[in-house]
Amino acid sequence: AQTVTQSQPEMSVQEAETVTLSCTYDTSESDYYLFWYKQPPSRQMILVIRQEAYKQQNATENRFSVNFQKAAKSFSLKISDSQLGDAAMYFCAYRCRANRDDKIIFGKGTRLHILP
Amino acid sequence: DSGVTQTPKHLITATGQRVTLRCSPRSGDLSVYWYQQSLDQGLQFLIQYYNGEERAKGNILERFSAQQFPDLHSELNLSSLELGDSALYFCASSVVGTTDTQYFGPGTRLTVL
Repeated sequence: AQTVTQSQPEMSVQEAETVTLSCTYDTSESDYYLFWYKQPPSRQMILVIRQEAYKQQNATENRFSVNFQKAAKSFSLKISDSQLGDAAMYFCAYRCRANRDDKIIFGKGTRLHILP
Repeated sequence: DSGVTQTPKHLITATGQRVTLRCSPRSGDLSVYWYQQSLDQGLQFLIQYYNGEERAKGNILERFSAQQFPDLHSELNLSSLELGDSALYFCASSVVGTTDTQYFGPGTRLTVL
């Protein structure tokens, strides 16, 4: 069964600094998607970034980028120039592309605090 | 705003009762997913519907059921409610086969007293 592990329950970073959130996953599949979702205090689940496993190039969305290491099954999120609005729970997630179902498997989350 | 709507936002009920949560997917999305977020279990997939038919089942209790109607909105029915059913219930939608991104609604907060 596929699993997603986020080993850092909480992290803090100074405003304007860079922080990296870690994520590892386990799967026997070769074709899949990986995601980072953000959940602010409003509880809305917001897609931050998406990575297709067949793409070697790391995805980037403005200040957010990932380090995708397929062989190591690692998918970390880097947030540059951290802002107060980045404070949230961040979930790493996996979705197999080959399965008939499209469910997403989520990690337990990392709560990110931004220090002013 | 993801374009996915969920009603009600909050629901408070008693043990043993039955409630219905409603979800309207984004325009054009054929697939609807239900997830449960609780403190102890995290975010867990419950069930998926695609164009009116059940497509996948996750950790959904027998007391829970769902359906997707011809207009593509979906309802999640929770019956014989227990204290442990208190959670945030999310609906997500996607256009299967075109995009693999699921867009989440704002959630329904269920409190069982």
